[in-house]
Amino acid sequence: GNSVTQMEGPVTLSEEAFLTINCTYTATGYPSLFWYVQYPGEGLQLLLKATKADDKGSNKGFEATYRKETTSFHLEKGSVQVSDSAVYFCALSDRGATNKLIFGTGTLLAVQP
Amino acid sequence: EAQVTQNPRYLITVTGKKLTVTCSQNMNHEYMSWYRQDPGLGLRQIYYSMNVEVTDKGDVPEGYKVSRKEKRNFPLILESPSPNQTSLYFCASRTEGQGAGTEAFFGQGTRLTVV
Repeated sequence: GNSVTQMEGPVTLSEEAFLTINCTYTATGYPSLFWYVQYPGEGLQLLLKATKADDKGSNKGFEATYRKETTSFHLEKGSVQVSDSAVYFCALSDRGATNKLIFGTGTLLAVQP
Repeated sequence: EAQVTQNPRYLITVTGKKLTVTCSQNMNHEYMSWYRQDPGLGLRQIYYSMNVEVTDKGDVPEGYKVSRKEKRNFPLILESPSPNQTSLYFCASRTEGQGAGTEAFFGQGTRLTVV
């Protein structure tokens, strides 16, 4: 079945460091791919998405490119801030009858000043 | 403001005492779902609903019930809670739009502890 694998955390970085959180997926067909972010004590909110191969999603300085050849959707940011500290979830949406969101296990990012 | 509202935010209960967690959305979304979040497991879908009176099991439905009598509401019912249902629960909604990569909107979460 469809699944998402993302790197385990926690990831601890200093402010202004470069961030990469790896995400790979297994899916039949052509899923849509998402990154959701969960700030402490809050629900998940969409960070960015890509709906077809080679699409690049971007928001708030974060980027991810839908790579069909490597089945990957890695999240990157050039210079992280303390306010980016959160849990990041990679997810895919299958395009079958249920249109279900399938999540990875989440990666905790801690940015230190 | 577009939002998904869950209540309560925190709940401590005893084994076997029936409880309901409410969920309401104001975006006229067709699709609603419930997830539980556990450490190391990410979010797992409990139940979903594709429209009024249409519900189906997700990946971990045992011990839960849902109903969808109105489009905006999708309550989660635990008829006889057990300690293994201690978790963080999220309700989510999205438009039906198959293949469109539509955004899911999440509630703030309900932290449930069953003792």
